[in-house]
Amino acid sequence: GAGVSQSPSNKVTEKGKDVELRCDPISGHTALYWYRQRLGQGLEFLIYFQGNSAPDKSGLPSDRFSAERTGESVSTLTIQRTQQEDSAVYLCASSLGRVKQGPSYGYTFGSGTRLTVV
Amino acid sequence: QQQVKQSPQSLIVQKGGISIINCAYENTAFDYFPWYQQFPGKGPALLIAIRPDVSEKKEGRFTISFNKSAKQFSLHIMDSQPGDSATYFCAASKAGNTGKLIFGQGTTLQVKP
Repeated sequence: GAGVSQSPSNKVTEKGKDVELRCDPISGHTALYWYRQRLGQGLEFLIYFQGNSAPDKSGLPSDRFSAERTGESVSTLTIQRTQQEDSAVYLCASSLGRVKQGPSYGYTFGSGTRLTVV
Repeated sequence: QQQVKQSPQSLIVQKGGISIINCAYENTAFDYFPWYQQFPGKGPALLIAIRPDVSEKKEGRFTISFNKSAKQFSLHIMDSQPGDSATYFCAASKAGNTGKLIFGQGTTLQVKP
């Protein structure tokens, strides 16, 4: 597609429920990243997918968080047993990968999913 | 561990003035330093980027100054306009194809008419 698409754009859930967030990257982009942005704060790295390589899960804050990606397409971020501290905007980004993109390397971000846990 | 520190947290500038945002990094393995601009309700968008083999890069009204020995880099917005009002993030990444970006905490810029 023309850009990175995330759904839903907003999600309100009750504490303890599971949520699933979706990201459709730009077609052909092999690299996909998830970040979390708490209110008024910077972007916190969660997980990174690159082609068929093992994902870099080093940023996942707890075992309640998991993510999957099917090949080089859609990714889902799942948060189990949500807590109020999980309230944030979850941003997905994709890129061709730093080597392919060269000096103009950068991510293209989606508009994010605003998650509110009540 | 905060690997990229950004300041100030917020900034108010008059129209036509110069906006300056600073970042400092710790990891000498970082070799790529982009700046992102984010408007409310939108994802961040790449604004300008620099590599450590140059000390300055200019694109229109936006300039990155880079000081490798001090491990600092800054964004200068010349002739600031109300439309520049947004949140700005610096970031850094290491060599290699991962391209994982480590972001600063962000600076909210308000340009007053």
